[in-house]
Amino acid sequence: EVQLLESGGGLVQPGGSLRLSCVASGFTFRNYAMNWVRRAPGKGLEWVSGISGSDGSTYYADSVRGRFTISRDNSKNTLYLQMNSLRADDTAVYYCAGSGWLLYYFDTWGQGTLVTVSS
Amino acid sequence: EIVLTQSPGTLSLSPGERATLSCRASQSVSGSYLAWYQHKPGQAPRLLIYDAAFRATGVPDRFSGIGSGTDFTLTISRLEPEDFAVYYCQQYESSPGTFGQGTKLEIK
Repeated sequence: EVQLLESGGGLVQPGGSLRLSCVASGFTFRNYAMNWVRRAPGKGLEWVSGISGSDGSTYYADSVRGRFTISRDNSKNTLYLQMNSLRADDTAVYYCAGSGWLLYYFDTWGQGTLVTVSS
Repeated sequence: EIVLTQSPGTLSLSPGERATLSCRASQSVSGSYLAWYQHKPGQAPRLLIYDAAFRATGVPDRFSGIGSGTDFTLTISRLEPEDFAVYYCQQYESSPGTFGQGTKLEIK
């Protein structure tokens, strides 16, 4: 069974940092591009960042570029999102999502982890 | 970036009725690189349709997608109780891939 399980969410103060993890199972992780997608309260889905399966190329939404870093460890079937300089508008449920390639549809999703940025 | 506008914002229907959801793009989505997702509270989003018209694995045939260029439609032919959720369209024609704001399908 294909599964993505996120962890690492929580409450953090503005300006703080948090690291999200996503453990994958049930498919060949290294062959898949992986992404983070978030949904802020009362808003729709927003793609945040993606990383290719082949060469590890990374891409970011303008709203997080320079503050967030996506990475993966194919030996551990794990995707990461290091979030620094967090702001209130980063508050959201963060989903790990798999796609065949970067800039593609997302055919595998995790259940999400909640990040709350508040003082 | 391509902006996707979904309508209506909320759709109130009864089980057994037909639902028609619209997604309009600010510029042409060539190649029909458009997907539809279903999202229920507390659950992972679920891919329903990709490439505008192809059902994902395991998706019932009451779900269908059509469209090209700037206008796309998701139709649910006969609503089941489990279909009431929020639906999003997403384009993957140009970077960044963007989502519509969602249509909430609620029980009337």
